[in-house]
Amino acid sequence: QVQLVQSGAEVKKPGASVKVSCKASGYTFTSYYMHWVRQAPGQGLEWMGIINPSGGSTSYAQKFQGRVTMTRDTSTSTVYMELSSLRSEDTAVYYCAMAHIGGVATIMNAFDIWGQGTMVTVSS
Amino acid sequence: EIVMTQSPATLSVSPGERATLSCRASQSVSSNLAWYQQKPGQAPRLLIYGASTRATGIPARFSGSGSGTEFTLTISSLQSEDFAVYYCQQYNNWPTFGQGTKVEIK
Repeated sequence: QVQLVQSGAEVKKPGASVKVSCKASGYTFTSYYMHWVRQAPGQGLEWMGIINPSGGSTSYAQKFQGRVTMTRDTSTSTVYMELSSLRSEDTAVYYCAMAHIGGVATIMNAFDIWGQGTMVTVSS
Repeated sequence: EIVMTQSPATLSVSPGERATLSCRASQSVSSNLAWYQQKPGQAPRLLIYGASTRATGIPARFSGSGSGTEFTLTISSLQSEDFAVYYCQQYNNWPTFGQGTKVEIK
């Protein structure tokens, strides 16, 4: 079955960087776009950006431009999200998510597959 | 950026009753609207996409309606497992989410 498994929780100091991984299985990795969404404690969901695992092209939400980098490794079917210059406001659960509805690959659709989430805590 | 506004912030409902949640977009998103359910400590779960199509495995008591800028999620008869937070999301442009509606037990 289609599954996304993320890396474990991280604790970082302000100013540091964090790199979260999302390993995909159960489908053709290069056929479906991958998104990243975050959720601060007690808050709503916030879209961060998208990567095309086929060619590696990316598009980021304006809020994160210059601080986020999304990459992929096709040999391990893994996508990565790196966020730099961390501040306390970046404390959140980070999710990878994809649209796999009906097995149709579209750049824009609802997210029916989610990773389990990775808690990133930024604290001095 | 398309701003999604959900109302109410909290909805108190008794089990077996009907719940109606609203979502408004700051500009038309056509039918490119999804609803998610989220329980504490869990990832969001897709309920509805295309404004009115139930995702795989979603019970028929969940229904969605609307197009353009006004959308509604209806839960016809609330079960104990339905008490959660619900988010709407538009994907007509880069995705944005509403702030959520918490459905709590009355």
